[in-house]
Amino acid sequence: DAGVTQSPTHLIKTRGQQVTLRCSPKSGHDTVSWYQQALGQGPQFIFQYYEEEERQRGNFPDRFSGHQFPNYSSELNVNALLLGDSALYLCASSWGGTGELFFGEGSRLTVL
Amino acid sequence: QKEVEQNSGPLSVPEGAIASLNCTYSDRGSQSFFWYRQYSGKSPELIMFIYSNGDKEDGRFTAQLNKASQYVSLLIRDSQPSDSATYLCAGCTQGGSEKLVFGKGTKLTVNP
Repeated sequence: DAGVTQSPTHLIKTRGQQVTLRCSPKSGHDTVSWYQQALGQGPQFIFQYYEEEERQRGNFPDRFSGHQFPNYSSELNVNALLLGDSALYLCASSWGGTGELFFGEGSRLTVL
Repeated sequence: QKEVEQNSGPLSVPEGAIASLNCTYSDRGSQSFFWYRQYSGKSPELIMFIYSNGDKEDGRFTAQLNKASQYVSLLIRDSQPSDSATYLCAGCTQGGSEKLVFGKGTKLTVNP
């Protein structure tokens, strides 16, 4: 049973560029959430997708956008990258509204 | 601002001892709480969740919830060096929403 998979695992961008991160949820899961984890901090909620719609959004600017596809996979897009966007971006999948999130290994973004 | 607070540590215990990790939360509407373990450079892994006041045991782990005091704890009995990690406490701000608010984590070191 494949868990949550994310790609790419590492990437380096420069300020002002755009980035797309991808996530495939655990088999049987229909909800995908994205979190940003800065060094030494806990994960912070970006947004959540369910049935291809953004269901909830955290306190992140519109530069952060996402999408969920019919197969439940998801993308996170960040435009106009800032140095402060450097972080580990975690995708988590879930099912049934229990709050039990299963995380992928993350995509580590470095913005220079 | 709905927050989850954890003592960032580090917490150091000898092998075989009980490790006690604590967490407080500000949102009285929080319905459920989760403890995640995160090894350095890895993604968070769910250890336990708790919804009701009182204790919940799973092997060497016991989660405790006191909603009146807005306090959550995790006890690890017979601590092992492999338990050395950062432990993240998270609250679910709405029942079934699966939006987790994380603390900054407590770094635990178990010394052989």
